[in-house]
Amino acid sequence: DAGVIQSPRHEVTEMGQEVTLRCKPISGHDYLFWYRQTMMRGLELLIYFNNNVPIDDSGMPEDRFSAKMPNASFSTLKIQPSEPRDSAVYFCASRQGLGELFFGEGSRLTVL
Amino acid sequence: KQEVTQIPAALSVPEGENLVLNCSFTDSAIYNLQWFRQDPGKGLTSLLLIQSSQREQTSGRLNASLDKSSGRSTLYIAASQPGDSATYLCAVPSMDSSYKLIFGSGTRLLVRP
Repeated sequence: DAGVIQSPRHEVTEMGQEVTLRCKPISGHDYLFWYRQTMMRGLELLIYFNNNVPIDDSGMPEDRFSAKMPNASFSTLKIQPSEPRDSAVYFCASRQGLGELFFGEGSRLTVL
Repeated sequence: KQEVTQIPAALSVPEGENLVLNCSFTDSAIYNLQWFRQDPGKGLTSLLLIQSSQREQTSGRLNASLDKSSGRSTLYIAASQPGDSATYLCAVPSMDSSYKLIFGSGTRLLVRP
């Protein structure tokens, strides 16, 4: 398996623009997680899905953030409108049940 | 609220040394604990997953121990190499869901040649 695949790897955009980050989890994994990593706050869980259903989105910072999982092999995290304080590395991760958690390489977002 | 602390925050050792990284957590009713390494600009790579029923888990030169009663885990790295230089993070389930992992802030390790 290719592992968790994220795109884009790098995104530079201007304040107010819409940003969409994409993730393909490992095949067969039934849990998908979106994390955000910054120097100040470390790794923060934004939202997670089980069998494509959002279970807990309490970590989503504002209504500007939304996430979807239309099928078992694809998820998106959208920020609209983006702000400079959204600059961070966004990670997608997946696991089977309570097994090991596997991360993608991350999407580095810079909002100017 | 589950809190995870990792000490030290940074560590520099000469090549060949054995070393111990520490992780402590406040809620001991955990299902498992996972150790990761993160290289600069990269994602997190899983190193070891240790179940609550286990006391130790080994992979190559790495050995992780878990003491639930004291809320502690250690990651032992034997005969360290420059390639071990990375940030090491531990993660435990949150109090409200075993599926949500809470991460420590990591220990940044530098192994000097």
